[in-house]
Amino acid sequence: DTGVSQDPRHKITKRGQNVTFRCDPISEHNRLYWYRQTLGQGPEFLTYFQNEAQLEKSRLLSDRFSAERPKGSFSTLEIQRTEQGDSAMYLCASSLVAGGTEQFFGPGTRLTVL
Amino acid sequence: GDSVTQMEGPVTLSEEAFLTINCTYTATGYPSLFWYVQYPGEGLQLLLKATKADDKGSNKGFEATYRKETTSFHLEKGSVQVSDSAVYFCALGGSGGSNYKLTFGKGTLLTVNP
Repeated sequence: DTGVSQDPRHKITKRGQNVTFRCDPISEHNRLYWYRQTLGQGPEFLTYFQNEAQLEKSRLLSDRFSAERPKGSFSTLEIQRTEQGDSAMYLCASSLVAGGTEQFFGPGTRLTVL
Repeated sequence: GDSVTQMEGPVTLSEEAFLTINCTYTATGYPSLFWYVQYPGEGLQLLLKATKADDKGSNKGFEATYRKETTSFHLEKGSVQVSDSAVYFCALGGSGGSNYKLTFGKGTLLTVNP
């Protein structure tokens, strides 16, 4: 399977703990995106990378959130000092080029903060 | 900013019924428009897309036409099947300087009964 993969699929943590998620995009895609989806809502854009450069961050991405894409391949999203409001599905997507080209989504990581 | 408004669900139909899910958008420039589908327990999958006015996207019996004059991209299918039960998201691909992200509607849950 050469689609977008995410790990872990589920994460349960206690408030105040740090968590890290990983995304592996489709290999030839140069853009990688992170979205957050809460129950009953559509995905909301968080940030994106072109190769290894992080080019845009949403205001939704507080300073407790950090994302990296070393070497322009896989990406990690870390949340420090988790809060209950961080509970959501975190989606990763990748695309080949921007502007009208579809984004391919991974299965998501569901985070539950107790 | 860009926004997408789609018909609130849930929508419940009998097999072979006609489906319409309304979607309207607000955007500057000339965005691309998408319908994504999320089957239970799975990630988002692109269903169809249209990149310019009057384009018709189609896939698996679903169709949607990019109507610039009414800023709409309604999803239709002539005869739904039980296997079409899923959540459907209308999305807008930003144009110009924001052509890197998708803006989603809240999603419409479709249940098709045999």
